[in-house]
Amino acid sequence: AAGVIQSPRHLIKEKRETATLKCYPIPRHDTVYWYQQGPGQDPQFLISFYEKMQSDKGSIPDRFSAQQFSDYHSELNMSSLELGDSALYFCASSFRTGTGVSGANVLTFGAGSRLTVL
Amino acid sequence: AQKITQTQPGMFVQEKEAVTLDCTYDTSDQSYGLFWYKQPSSGEMIFLIYQGSYDEQNATEGRYSLNFQKARKSANLVISASQLGDSAMYFCAMREADYGNNRLAFGKGNQVVVIP
Repeated sequence: AAGVIQSPRHLIKEKRETATLKCYPIPRHDTVYWYQQGPGQDPQFLISFYEKMQSDKGSIPDRFSAQQFSDYHSELNMSSLELGDSALYFCASSFRTGTGVSGANVLTFGAGSRLTVL
Repeated sequence: AQKITQTQPGMFVQEKEAVTLDCTYDTSDQSYGLFWYKQPSSGEMIFLIYQGSYDEQNATEGRYSLNFQKARKSANLVISASQLGDSAMYFCAMREADYGNNRLAFGKGNQVVVIP
């Protein structure tokens, strides 16, 4: 079965540089999520998109932006990188069946993109 | 405030034994979902099991079962017959109804090492 595809898997950048992460969700999933997991930390929700529109926003820094394109893939753009941005960035996708808890609507995660800022 | 609490220190488990990972949660919603994910050292997040707040029976998926005690707000994961490949970090997560967008809040995780 097709999974969530993230690229690149590893990325090394210098401080103040820009990085772009890509995510290809599971076909027909209508919602994409971005999470950031710092070393030894739990994943923190950044942002999500439902049908290409931003649907929810978490602790995403102003230096970060994201969008979902017409083919449903999503990109997370990070500018003015800081050492503290070094983390594992996950993309996940799921079905969304309206508001509230409705069935499992399990989030399927990609393998993650590991960003190292030097 | 942390909505999901996982406070056990790292655990060593003998192969073929069962292990229980504790998870307590905090919510005022009546409708919510609880999830367990596994993160091996390779880093990927693997879905294990789901429990809905209205589900009357504890969820089971193969060797994984969820001991859901709603009144105590706990959702402990039980792994039976541990295997070496079960060595990983295990995260408990919750989706609350008022998020409406399937956002998950994760706990800090439980580290499990299975020894032969």
